[in-house]
Amino acid sequence: AQKVTQAQTEISVVEKEDVTLDCVYETRDTTYYLFWYKQPPSGELVFLIRRNSFDEQNEISGRYSWNFQKSTSSFNFTITASQVVDSAVYFCALSEASFGNEKLTFGTGTRLTIIP
Amino acid sequence: NAGVTQTPKFRVLKTGQSMTLLCAQDMNHEYMYWYRQDPGMGLRLIHYSVGEGTTAKGEVPDGYNVSRLKKQNFLLGLESAAPSQTSVYFCASRTGTVLYEQYFGPGTRLTVT
Repeated sequence: AQKVTQAQTEISVVEKEDVTLDCVYETRDTTYYLFWYKQPPSGELVFLIRRNSFDEQNEISGRYSWNFQKSTSSFNFTITASQVVDSAVYFCALSEASFGNEKLTFGTGTRLTIIP
Repeated sequence: NAGVTQTPKFRVLKTGQSMTLLCAQDMNHEYMYWYRQDPGMGLRLIHYSVGEGTTAKGEVPDGYNVSRLKKQNFLLGLESAAPSQTSVYFCASRTGTVLYEQYFGPGTRLTVT
């Protein structure tokens, strides 16, 4: 069974600090996909990034970066020079590629508060 | 292109009442999902559909029924609402493979008193 753990329930940092959100996953599949979603205070869920299990390259998009390490089953998300607009709940999610398993399993989320 | 829409946005029910939540997508997606979001528990899958006319149970299906009569619509029904069903409900859809992200609707906040 697939499982996603986000051990950090809430994080608060002062604006312009860097912050890393942890995500640890469990799966029996060798092919799987990892996602990060953002849920701002307005409530909608916004897709941030997708990564497949065969691509361990780290990715950077502006102030956002993601570190995927299969050896530790982790897919961590770092925000550099945080801004107030980054305040949100962030969800990590996992989808296995096996036929018949079309589900996306979410972690419980990390609430990030950026203090101005 | 409206994406994924949900109707209604808010609803208050009394225990025992029934209602249907409507999800519509205009992206021709095969897969559609219903989740509930509760504090501290993330999103949990209620039911999903892999195509028109098909439905399957997710993690927390009890007390809910679904139908997918048309490809673009996915209905979630509560036959006899209970206070434990107070939650925010999200619908999502995606295209053919798990490689792709799910697109979410804006959510429906349901309160059962």
